[in-house]
Amino acid sequence: EAGVAQSPRYKIIEKRQSVAFWCNPISGHATLYWYQQILGQGPKLLIQFQNNGVVDDSQLPKDRFSAERLKGVDSTLKIQPAKLEDSAVYLCASSLDPGGRVYEQYFGPGTRLTVT
Amino acid sequence: GNSVTQMEGPVTLSEEAFLTINCTYTATGYPSLFWYVQYPGEGLQLLLKATKADDKGSNKGFEATYRKETTSFHLEKGSVQVSDSAVYFCALSGRNQFYFGTGTSLTVIP
Repeated sequence: EAGVAQSPRYKIIEKRQSVAFWCNPISGHATLYWYQQILGQGPKLLIQFQNNGVVDDSQLPKDRFSAERLKGVDSTLKIQPAKLEDSAVYLCASSLDPGGRVYEQYFGPGTRLTVT
Repeated sequence: GNSVTQMEGPVTLSEEAFLTINCTYTATGYPSLFWYVQYPGEGLQLLLKATKADDKGSNKGFEATYRKETTSFHLEKGSVQVSDSAVYFCALSGRNQFYFGTGTSLTVIP
């Protein structure tokens, strides 16, 4: 079974530039999550999709971050314009159910973003 | 609100030593509790989980028991190996959201 795919693995941009990350979840997983993991901290949920609908985006900085999952499969997370404090690893995860009670979350390898 | 607090690291142990990483939580309702492990350069992997009070999750020699009375989910292993060196995250699932602790870095030396 293929895992969660993410690209790119690494990205370096200057502040005020834009960047996009792509995630392809495990086939058949209805729930998709984007997390931000700042060095030395735990992952922070940015947005959660159930199929192509948003379940929770309460911690997404909507003035600069956007995400979509148009066909209920793969997803794109965009930052525009980037700030220095956006430097982090962006993790994508997917699961069969949104609560994790029955099915676990599977994480991709992450995209390490450095904003200079 | 929901939150997770875990012991700060880093933790350094000798091979075959006993490991405990403390985790306490605050939650409304009846959350599920998890331990995830992150090896260098990799994404997070589920290590074990417990979905109700008094459940014990176990995997690869690691164990954790869901203690509702003390709101804790401490991770233990009787004899650590060098290959256990990683960052360990405690997490809870409530209201269809995941809340992670800040992580505890473990280094096991031969």
